[in-house]
Amino acid sequence: GAGVSQSPSNKVTEKGKDVELRCDPISGHTALYWYRQSLGQGLEFLIYFQGNSAPDKSGLPSDRFSAERTGGSVSTLTIQRTQQEDSAVYLCASSPTGARGEKLFFGSGTQLSVL
Amino acid sequence: AQSVTQPDIHITVSEGASLELRCNYSYGATPYLFWYVQSPGQGLQLLLKYFSGDTLVQGIKGFEAEFKRSQSSFNLRKPSVHWSDAAEYFCAVDSWAQKLVFGQGTRLTINP
Repeated sequence: GAGVSQSPSNKVTEKGKDVELRCDPISGHTALYWYRQSLGQGLEFLIYFQGNSAPDKSGLPSDRFSAERTGGSVSTLTIQRTQQEDSAVYLCASSPTGARGEKLFFGSGTQLSVL
Repeated sequence: AQSVTQPDIHITVSEGASLELRCNYSYGATPYLFWYVQSPGQGLQLLLKYFSGDTLVQGIKGFEAEFKRSQSSFNLRKPSVHWSDAAEYFCAVDSWAQKLVFGQGTRLTINP
């Protein structure tokens, strides 16, 4: 596709269950970001992948959160033992090279609701 | 640490009226500044950005923003808003670590 694709668009889960959120970046983009948007909050940085370098995980809120990027393309964000405070919109973005100041292309997000 | 403050959570303006959304940042060096817009059900879209040079930058959809170093501000303006401008607007600063730090956003409502 032409843009960043995220799936599912909506996910409802029960507290304590694990969830996986998927991001397909724009083809050829080496940089990939995950952000979290909670109700009434701004966007919170979670993790950044750049090519084959070790990811910047400095924004992950707890060890229940993890992410991987396979083959430099698709990324999966995994939340284990979900809690109600994990409810938010999870946004993925990509950019061509990850250079400072580069435009980010965002997906439409995954709305996660933890009951 | 870098931070961005958008003092107004929600602003309502009439269609055709002028608009100014405020943004203040905290950053030790020369900042890279951005405004993104999020329309309902859509991803964020870049409106404009500032790196250096002319402190008044033009963006898409008729928006402009002015960088004022002395005030640590990067306010977004539009001379005449349209109903389609109703959305949430985010100011952001690009840290040295290649990740954007966003403000909390300003929700814009347009009255007909």
